[in-house]
Amino acid sequence: DAGITQSPRHKVTETGTPVTLRCHQTENHRYMYWYRQDPGHGLRLIHYSYGVKDTDKGEVSDGYSVSRSKTEDFLLTLESATSSQTSVYFCAIRAGTGTGDANQPQHFGDGTRLSIL
Amino acid sequence: AQKITQTQPGMFVQEKEAVTLDCTYDTSDQSYGLFWYKQPSSGEMIFLIYQGSYDEQNATEGRYSLNFQKARKSANLVISASQLGDSAMYFCAMAYNNNDMRFGAGTRLTVKP
Repeated sequence: DAGITQSPRHKVTETGTPVTLRCHQTENHRYMYWYRQDPGHGLRLIHYSYGVKDTDKGEVSDGYSVSRSKTEDFLLTLESATSSQTSVYFCAIRAGTGTGDANQPQHFGDGTRLSIL
Repeated sequence: AQKITQTQPGMFVQEKEAVTLDCTYDTSDQSYGLFWYKQPSSGEMIFLIYQGSYDEQNATEGRYSLNFQKARKSANLVISASQLGDSAMYFCAMAYNNNDMRFGAGTRLTVKP
């Protein structure tokens, strides 16, 4: 299994509170991703990172921010959680050092189930 | 806009038979990658198979093969000799622009004994 750890695995919180999810990898991969999974939508990309301090927006980035201060850690923050952000969140990593590496598969963590009441 | 379509919300197959899961995609990019992932009821995402847009031969990985028809923009997954453990959600995905990835809504496969 790819060395990816997501924490926490489960969280219940209230609307309006800040939430931070952590993704930790031991593979030293350059690329890291955050997705959310909702019924009927498959997985949707929130943000991704292509190196320390290098991040970019994905398909559904509104309401989320990310940070990557170390290669091994990629944090996803909901500044003020809303009920629409109740979802399962997956972190993924991908090997590769530059362009043309998109053929490398992404490997996923076990997910974080987040409920916002 | 990039889009992945899986038209079969659910599929049933008899154990030991083959099954094809459909996937069509829409892109104007020339360079892209197509992936299939399996998600069992335990929730993890498992990479199964990859096909590059420039690959001329269909990808195969054990019992999994990808029927790639570029002109039709389809990338169907074929599972041969189905096993009970193949029961899961299956997602087709397309990677493009080196970092973006779009997933289909998934197909739930049930293997009957």
